[in-house]
Parts: sequence; structure tokens; C-alpha cells
Amino acid sequence: QQQVKQSPQSLIVQKGGIPIINCAYENTAFDYFPWYQQFPGKGPALLIAIRPDVSEKKEGRFTISFNKSAKQFSLHIMDSQPGDSATYFCAARSLQGAQKLVFGQGTRLTINP
Amino acid sequence: NAGVMQNPRHLVRRRGQEARLRCSPMKGHSHVYWYRQLPEEGLKFMVYLQKENIIDESGMPKERFSAEFPKEGPSILRIQQVVRGDSAAYFCASSPLRGGYGYTFGSGTRLTVV
Repeated sequence: QQQVKQSPQSLIVQKGGIPIINCAYENTAFDYFPWYQQFPGKGPALLIAIRPDVSEKKEGRFTISFNKSAKQFSLHIMDSQPGDSATYFCAARSLQGAQKLVFGQGTRLTINP
Repeated sequence: NAGVMQNPRHLVRRRGQEARLRCSPMKGHSHVYWYRQLPEEGLKFMVYLQKENIIDESGMPKERFSAEFPKEGPSILRIQQVVRGDSAAYFCASSPLRGGYGYTFGSGTRLTVV
């Protein structure tokens, strides 16, 4: 099944809090898991990505946690700022066929000052 | 080094007209992917092209939609006889490699059918 399920659909956090966005997948043929950030009126931009042989990856204030056995991965944003308010998409790359990215439904994140 | 260029940014078409969306990939990128984003929804894959070849069109509606990536010039997504349900943001991404690494998205074309 070529699906990635993302939750929550929307999230409001106070400045300095740690929003967590979760994704789950079923297809074991996924081998690359990026997160994209999208601001209104803009295209998605790559934020951070992980491979399944690693359980955690940090880049600045952004961390991906990956649980291969549970087929779940999540994005954590440390010390969140109002400028982090955006829509976040998880994605997974399929090894099958055209090896395209399959996206989750998106999470609209609002960081209140 | 310009990013992925999409034009027009906004396109308004009346029902029954044709819509042509253009995508110029980043320099050195020969793989182009088109995605559609409906309001409040995620990105849905439509088609994957390399120069002069359609590699995967499994996400394209069977009728009215077509795509090309000629040897010279931008990739074109064509929607014939548009209907209100075609109103969406259409994003193009390019990549230097097959397989999703290094996807860079354009800013999209927002199509409104009236």
C-alpha cells in the first residue's frame, strides 16, 4: 500500500514548546523519509530527511525520530518560534517503480508568540 | 542558479477551456515530477518524466490530462476542457537523480476554474 498517514492535521503550540508531528506507513519498500516545510503561496522545501538504518537525525532545532519496527517516524521542533508556523509534510520514497515520493496529508502548525 | 521555475503563478480558466502549466527544472536536473495539491490536502503524485519520456503516469487522470518534457524547453502539464474540480495548486519538482533524492519544488501554479 503506497500510503503515508500523518497526524495531527493541525497543531497549535506556544513559543518555545516542542511540536511533534507523526507519520506512519505500511509499505516496507520505502527507504528514504524526508520532511518538507511549506509556507503559504510557496512550494514545499526540504527540511530534513532520514534513512531507515538510523533511529534519529538532528539538524539544528529539527529532529527526526524513526522507529523501523513500528513503521513510524516523527518530526520534533525544539524551541519553536513563530517563524516556524507553516504546513509540514512527511514523505516516503518507494523503491518500487518510478521511486517517487509519497506524501502525508500535511500538518498545519501554528506557533503562538 | 535559478530554482525550479513554474509559470504562470496564477491561472484562471473558464470551464471547458484548456490550461497549460509550464515547468523549467533546475539546471542539470533531467527528472521532473508533477504533483497536485487540493485545498487543505497533501501533495498527490501525477506524473514523472525524463527528457522525451513519460516514466510513470499512474497518478494522472485518464482523460483530459497530459504531460510532456521535450528535448528542448520546459515540461508542460496540459489540462483540456477544465472543470471546477481541476482547481488546485500544481507543483513541479525536479531532481538530478531518479528516485526522490534532491527533489526541489517550484512555487506552483494556482489554477482556478470559473
